[in-house]
Amino acid sequence: EAGVVQSPRYKIIEKKQPVAFWCNPISGHNTLYWYLQNLGQGPELLIRYENEEAVDDSQLPKDRFSAERLKGVDSTLKIQPAELGDSAVYLCASSHDTGELFFGEGSRLTVL
Amino acid sequence: GQQLNQSPQSMFIQEGEDVSMNCTSSSIFNTWLWYKQEPGEGPVLLIALYKAGELTSNGRLTAQFGITRKDSFLNISASIPSDVGIYFCAGTKSSGGSNYKLTFGKGTLLTVNP
Repeated sequence: EAGVVQSPRYKIIEKKQPVAFWCNPISGHNTLYWYLQNLGQGPELLIRYENEEAVDDSQLPKDRFSAERLKGVDSTLKIQPAELGDSAVYLCASSHDTGELFFGEGSRLTVL
Repeated sequence: GQQLNQSPQSMFIQEGEDVSMNCTSSSIFNTWLWYKQEPGEGPVLLIALYKAGELTSNGRLTAQFGITRKDSFLNISASIPSDVGIYFCAGTKSSGGSNYKLTFGKGTLLTVNP
């Protein structure tokens, strides 16, 4: 069974440019999460989806960050415009009824 | 927000030694999860704990859900070089179903000297 797939693995952009990350969760997992991981820190939740509904986006900086999961499967996380402080790893995870989160390999963003 | 205190921050041990790390919270959790993250990879789930007092093993790894529901520990026996990585504890207040707002500790960096 394929795991959580994320792309791109690495992205380098200049500040003020837009960037988008894509995630394909494990088949059958109705819950999808986007986490932010700064260097030397644990992951922090940005947004959680139950199917296509964003049920917790309280930690998402909505002035520049947006996310969507239109058909309840794949999801996209966008940053526009990117700032220097956005350099981090963006992790996608999914889970089913067991409640155990499975993570993708992450998308590493560097903003210059 | 919720805080998980994970200790130690880092450990440097010799191959073959046993390792113990723990995680504490100021509030009660209903679920504890332990993850391992290697450089350039996402966290990989090692052990999940759902009941207070539960002791669960996965090969050389053993984890326990504290009776107070405010702590958990992870032990690794007979460490080997491939155990190197960052170990994260994570907890949530939800019980059953999908995890709600899983909170992570800051991680324990483990280095194993062959």
